Amino acid sequence: DQQVKQNSPSLSVQEGRISILNCDYTNSMFDYFLWYKKYPAEGPTFLISISSIKDKNEDGRFTVFLNKSAKHLSLHIVPSQPGDSAVYFCAARAFQGAQKLVFGQGTRLTINP
Amino acid sequence: DTAVSQTPKYLVTQMGNDKSIKCEQNLGHDTMYWYKQDSKKFLKIMFSYNNKELIINETVPNRFSPKSPDKAHLNLHINSLELGDSAVYFCASSRYRQTDTQYFGPGTRLTVL
Repeated sequence: DQQVKQNSPSLSVQEGRISILNCDYTNSMFDYFLWYKKYPAEGPTFLISISSIKDKNEDGRFTVFLNKSAKHLSLHIVPSQPGDSAVYFCAARAFQGAQKLVFGQGTRLTINP
Repeated sequence: DTAVSQTPKYLVTQMGNDKSIKCEQNLGHDTMYWYKQDSKKFLKIMFSYNNKELIINETVPNRFSPKSPDKAHLNLHINSLELGDSAVYFCASSRYRQTDTQYFGPGTRLTVL
């Protein structure tokens, strides 16, 4: 029972255009959502987050949107750069006795020059 | 300076063997985690320790035993390895109660033959 899902395993975008990565979740008790970025042979690194009381958070080229009624969040990267090529993991925070993160399966983003 | 390190990076072993993966963090964090990235690419939490005390223990076979000699180290010992244990294992750390911002190690790819 996967509570966080990223249904697109891969995405290819031209440099300079907008990249949109999507994530769906099922647990309405999640209170915080995050995006992590992972390069090959490295561990995931924190990118951006959003609280469940907000619907948008922006940090430079990265914006995360949260639609609670649809249980959906998305990450927008604009403009996309070659260094953005990586695997992006969506994660949600739950409190079930102790805080923990529930991750999706990742989307591989490739930025083409 | 490596923040979260894991050894070994690759581990190839036969079914039935016992093996350990070591994790160390030099960030001064109180909480450490072990995750398993399975064949479907989901990152799933296995264990979490806070100041050497176990706080999260997901439904993991008891062949897996975490050991935390001090708050900077969280090792994972696996007994009687099975084919299904083949995966990438990630160690992570965070400040206590800051579960959202976790720092990950580079991962250990375990292959059981």
